Amino acid sequence: EVQLVESGGGLVQPGGSLRLSCAASGFTFSSYWMSWVRQAPGKGLEWVANIKQDGSEKYYVDSVRGRFTISRDNAKNSLDLQMNSLRGEDTAVYYCARDDRYSWEFWGQGTLVTVSS
Amino acid sequence: QSVLTQPASVSGSPGQSITISCTGTSSDVGGYNYVSWYQHHPGKAPKLMIYEVSNRPSGVSNRFSGSKSDNTASLTISGLQAEDEADYYCCSFRSSGTHWVFGGGTKLTVL
Repeated sequence: EVQLVESGGGLVQPGGSLRLSCAASGFTFSSYWMSWVRQAPGKGLEWVANIKQDGSEKYYVDSVRGRFTISRDNAKNSLDLQMNSLRGEDTAVYYCARDDRYSWEFWGQGTLVTVSS
Repeated sequence: QSVLTQPASVSGSPGQSITISCTGTSSDVGGYNYVSWYQHHPGKAPKLMIYEVSNRPSGVSNRFSGSKSDNTASLTISGLQAEDEADYYCCSFRSSGTHWVFGGGTKLTVL
């Protein structure tokens, strides 16, 4: 059974940093692109970033490029999102998801990030 | 403001059919067959309903179908059931800048 479990969310002040992690199991992690997708309170879904199987390609939504860094450790079946210079508009539930057939069939349950003073 | 345009809400009675539209441009919806649709109940993980415009993942009811014409994709739900009440999002690959763009979401109410 495919499982994705996010962790690392919490309350952080504007300008602060937070690192999210996603533990993957039930599939060959190193064979798939992986993504982070978020949903701000009362808003829709927004793709944040994704990373190629070997980590050699990474892509970001314009609003986080230069502040967020996606990475992965295939030996540990782990996906991370380092978030720096956080802003109020980064407040959201962050989901990790497995890229497959140009879509995301498997998602974690999400972790809440709140940026507030 | 979302890149892809969806109606904010649609409604229908049990047993009826509804269609949700998703309008983009030739740089996203119109340029690629990489449109997907997600059902989202608040507090839960989104669920993939349609991928690559018109394909259903294993386990998704055949009451759900997808199509595309020019720059507009559509999700049709036939034989509406109470459990279909949720938010629905379309998503498309985009050729420049942000690689993946979502619609703003459509709230489906089953009357």
